[in-house]
Amino acid sequence: EAGVAQSPRYKIIEKRQSVAFWCNPISGHATLYWYQQILGQGPKLLIQFQNNGVVDDSQLPKDRFSAERLKGVDSTLKIQPAKLEDSAVYLCASSLLQSFGSGANVLTFGAGSRLTVL
Amino acid sequence: KQEVTQIPAALSVPEGENLVLNCSFTDSAIYNLQWFRQDPGKGLTSLLLIQSSQREQTSGRLNASLDKSSGRSTLYIAASQPGDSATYLCAVREPGNMLTFGGGTRLMVKP
Repeated sequence: EAGVAQSPRYKIIEKRQSVAFWCNPISGHATLYWYQQILGQGPKLLIQFQNNGVVDDSQLPKDRFSAERLKGVDSTLKIQPAKLEDSAVYLCASSLLQSFGSGANVLTFGAGSRLTVL
Repeated sequence: KQEVTQIPAALSVPEGENLVLNCSFTDSAIYNLQWFRQDPGKGLTSLLLIQSSQREQTSGRLNASLDKSSGRSTLYIAASQPGDSATYLCAVREPGNMLTFGGGTRLMVKP
């Protein structure tokens, strides 16, 4: 089974520039997550999709961050304009279902996209 | 707001030792707790998932326990090996499907 694919793996930009990250989840996984992991910290959820609908984006800085999952498969996370504090690894994860109390909601993570903002 | 804390933040042990990693959470209203491993420059790999109704889960040399009422989980690693060196993260799933992570424990197993 192919894993969660993310690109690019690394990106260096200057502040106020824009950047986009792409994620392709495991085939058949309805739920997709974007997490931000700052160095030395645990991942923080930015946005969660169920198919192509947003389930939770309460921690997404909507003035500069946007995400979409138009056809319920691939997803793109965009930052515009970037700030120094956006330097982090952006992790994409997917799970089969959103149902609770089930092993089917085990998350599978991609390798992440490391962003450095100068 | 749920807060997840992992102690210690870093741990260095000689090969062969048994060790325990700790995870605590402030709100016991969780659906499950999951332990992950993260290697440098890599994504997270799920190790064990414990449902809120369970007390423990085992996989090979790993054993995870959950005491929901006290807001605690432990990850026990038996006979540690250099290949176990990584960051270990715990995460709790709450109503609303929020998954909240701890800050992780960086483990170094010396040959």
